[in-house]
Amino acid sequence: GAGVSQSPRYKVAKRGQDVALRCDPISGHVSLFWYQQALGQGPEFLTYFQNEAQLDKSGLPSDRFFAERPEGSVSTLKIQRTQQEDSAVYLCASSQPGVGTNTEAFFGQGTRLTVV
Amino acid sequence: GDSVTQMEGPVTLSEEAFLTINCTYTATGYPSLFWYVQYPGEGLQLLLKATKADDKGSNKGFEATYRKETTSFHLEKGSVQVSDSAVYFCALSDRGRDDKIIFGKGTRLHILP
Repeated sequence: GAGVSQSPRYKVAKRGQDVALRCDPISGHVSLFWYQQALGQGPEFLTYFQNEAQLDKSGLPSDRFFAERPEGSVSTLKIQRTQQEDSAVYLCASSQPGVGTNTEAFFGQGTRLTVV
Repeated sequence: GDSVTQMEGPVTLSEEAFLTINCTYTATGYPSLFWYVQYPGEGLQLLLKATKADDKGSNKGFEATYRKETTSFHLEKGSVQVSDSAVYFCALSDRGRDDKIIFGKGTRLHILP
């Protein structure tokens, strides 16, 4: 596809359940980002990959959150033992390196996670 | 750490009114600055950006000027339309470190016909 694709679009999980959220970035994009957007808030940075290397995971809120990008393309964000406070929209973005200068980050439509 | 503060919404204006959404930032380095827009039911889109002091970003009639002396990047539009109703996010990326983008909390804009 032409854009960043995320699946599923909606996920309802029971508290304590594990979930996996998928991101298909734009083909060839080196950089990949995950963000968490709570209702009425701005996106909060979770983690950043350059190819398969996870260069920054400073935003992951707890060790229940884990992200991987084993072949440098598709990425999965996994949340173990989900809690109600994990309910949010999870956004994925991809770009070529140099977002601050001459490239643009493209965002997917997000996965809305509701923990009940 | 780096952060962005923008005016809280919602902001409600009549069509053809002048729009200003204030944004200020804190950064340890020399960031690039962005405005993103989220239309109802759609994903985040880059609206405009500026990469150095005194640069003006512009797109779709919106403008913002990078003011290093006041650490600001206010969004303006001379005459808003109903179709501009959306949530607007001010953001920065500190080029000296990585490509991480840091967002403000967003400002919801309602334009009345």
